[in-house]
Amino acid sequence: NAGVTQTPKFQVLKTGQSMTLQCAQDMNHNSMYWYRQDPGMGLRLIYYSASEGTTDKGEVPNGYNVSRLNKREFSLRLESAAPSQTSVYFCASSEVNGFYEQYFGPGTRLTVT
Amino acid sequence: DQQVKQNSPSLSVQEGRISILNCDYTNSMFDYFLWYKKYPAEGPTFLISISSIKDKNEDGRFTVFLNKSAKHLSLHIVPSQPGDSAVYFCAASVDGTASKLTFGTGTRLQVTL
Repeated sequence: NAGVTQTPKFQVLKTGQSMTLQCAQDMNHNSMYWYRQDPGMGLRLIYYSASEGTTDKGEVPNGYNVSRLNKREFSLRLESAAPSQTSVYFCASSEVNGFYEQYFGPGTRLTVT
Repeated sequence: DQQVKQNSPSLSVQEGRISILNCDYTNSMFDYFLWYKKYPAEGPTFLISISSIKDKNEDGRFTVFLNKSAKHLSLHIVPSQPGDSAVYFCAASVDGTASKLTFGTGTRLQVTL
């Protein structure tokens, strides 16, 4: 039981390049989330998927797209990376989008030069 | 506008003593509060939560207190152990919905021998 896994762990991109961050969970959770964490700030929600087949914007969605590929997998895509997207990205999942704790992956540290 | 504030970036406590981590919020609509713990290079892990209908919740060495009139919550760890050294985030939600969680900036706790 791996919980929430994220790939890659580290990535360096040049401005304008694109990439996809992968996330998978094996807990049969319905809801999945993407957050970013910047120095001196709390985690901020980028996008979430309350259930398979649905996605919604969070607090900071600009510059990102997501795909809920199936119940297990939720990917985050940067189409044209910008230095402002340098951050640590966390994927999380929960049973439902309600009074249930979230389980987080180990994070992806992304640097855009 | 930071709706959830953790004004102490760091705290150092001796092993065996009490650690008190504080969190203030401004949004009176928040009705569910959580604490997460984060070790370096790992994702946050859920620690304890409290609903706004309660003023205290205990789980082993961890107790969360909620003072709604002051819009303040605190996490008490008694006794503190070296393994408790981590960054602690408080988070608040409207309607208990995970996608509406707002995180604080975190407090780094160091438990010394």
